[in-house]
Amino acid sequence: ETGVTQTPRHLVMGMTNKKSLKCEQHLGHNAMYWYKQSAKKPLELMFVYSLEERVENNSVPSRFSPECPNSSHLFLHLHTLQPEDSALYLCASSQEEWDYNEQFFGPGTRLTVL
Amino acid sequence: SQQGEEDPQALSIQEGENATMNCSYKTSINNLQWYRQNSGRGLVHLILIRSNEREKHSGRLRVTLDTSKKSSSLLITASRAADTASYFCATGDQTGANNLFFGTGTRLTVIP
Repeated sequence: ETGVTQTPRHLVMGMTNKKSLKCEQHLGHNAMYWYKQSAKKPLELMFVYSLEERVENNSVPSRFSPECPNSSHLFLHLHTLQPEDSALYLCASSQEEWDYNEQFFGPGTRLTVL
Repeated sequence: SQQGEEDPQALSIQEGENATMNCSYKTSINNLQWYRQNSGRGLVHLILIRSNEREKHSGRLRVTLDTSKKSSSLLITASRAADTASYFCATGDQTGANNLFFGTGTRLTVIP
């Protein structure tokens, strides 16, 4: 398998559920990202991991909890979400270099919170 | 905000015509990138232009960068129906971090 994969592709959950989104990259990159994409809003950077350490947390509510067990895997744990959290969640990876930071995106998980 | 802003928000053209999308940003950058997104899918990197470059080509794509005006344009020549997608510019700042800041995108529709 190549590139960046995400599972599941679609998820419907109630506000009291706990679920996890999974991302895996097969590119040998050392940085991974979670983004949230809502309709008519810019892509929102949620978390950045570099060399398996979290380096960015853009004021994301604590009901979103990331985990990066190794450089190839990234999880987003979800609990007690709100309907406004419904969105497309995108994972991306890149190889950290000074002036070249092309990101490779997964297909996304479409999350619906009821 | 460091995010880029694309203009127009939506663009509809006939197949074979050229499509031009613009991006403006606010901070100093290391590079500017353009991405494409088909509906409900992940983003795909199209092209990167560094801050010391003024123009770059890749196939039917032509990107320009004017750092004095903090703006960039993406030109798609001889458009095809398969070019229908949303196009985003993303800026990387000069802090050394790999973070990218995306705009809201231009929705391009190419009519066969």
